[in-house]
Amino acid sequence: AQRVTQPEKLLSVFKGAPVELKCNYSYSGSPELFWYVQYSRQRLQLLLRHISRESIKGFTADLNKGETSFHLKKPFAQEEDSAMYYCALSPNNAGNMLTFGGGTRLMVKP
Amino acid sequence: GAVVSQHPSRVICKSGTSVKIECRSLDFQATTMFWYRQFPKQSLMLMATSNEGSKATYEQGVEKDKFLINHASLTLSTLTVTSAHPEDSSFYICSARDPGKNEQFFGPGTRLTVL
Repeated sequence: AQRVTQPEKLLSVFKGAPVELKCNYSYSGSPELFWYVQYSRQRLQLLLRHISRESIKGFTADLNKGETSFHLKKPFAQEEDSAMYYCALSPNNAGNMLTFGGGTRLMVKP
Repeated sequence: GAVVSQHPSRVICKSGTSVKIECRSLDFQATTMFWYRQFPKQSLMLMATSNEGSKATYEQGVEKDKFLINHASLTLSTLTVTSAHPEDSSFYICSARDPGKNEQFFGPGTRLTVL
């Protein structure tokens, strides 16, 4: 069975500082990895997925199969980045069935 | 982007009653919808996968007789919590897969409180 681990429940940084939200996974096959974000009082929404290899709102994430990690990074955090971030995994060809990590709350202080 | 709605957004009921939660995809047809449960300060746990026109697939530990799922059309899935008890109080979230975009879109969630 697959598992997603986000070791930090809370990450607090100052505006303009770099931020890295950690995500590790365990899965025997080749999964698809995602980062979802939930802003205050809003629904969960997709931030980025590893197959797209794109930067969204300044965030990037690289899939490291050797370390089974998919850390989310942004060089300069903004206050509007404050939110809950969830890393998620979908087994290949599983119709997008998602297993979520525990989530990390990012607080960007002014 | 695609929109998924849930109704009701909040429901309070007495112990022993049944509660139905609706999940609708508003601008796309979803052959597959998913139901999640989220306890306070915890992550989303997949309860079941709802496939249009067929029986839902439940995750291990989820009682299918207690959490009835019906996916009668390509835009609607319902979750019925039968004989609800206080321990069923939680935040229930649905998502719908847009096959055209190969992506899941999430509803706003339903907060169930069982007294």
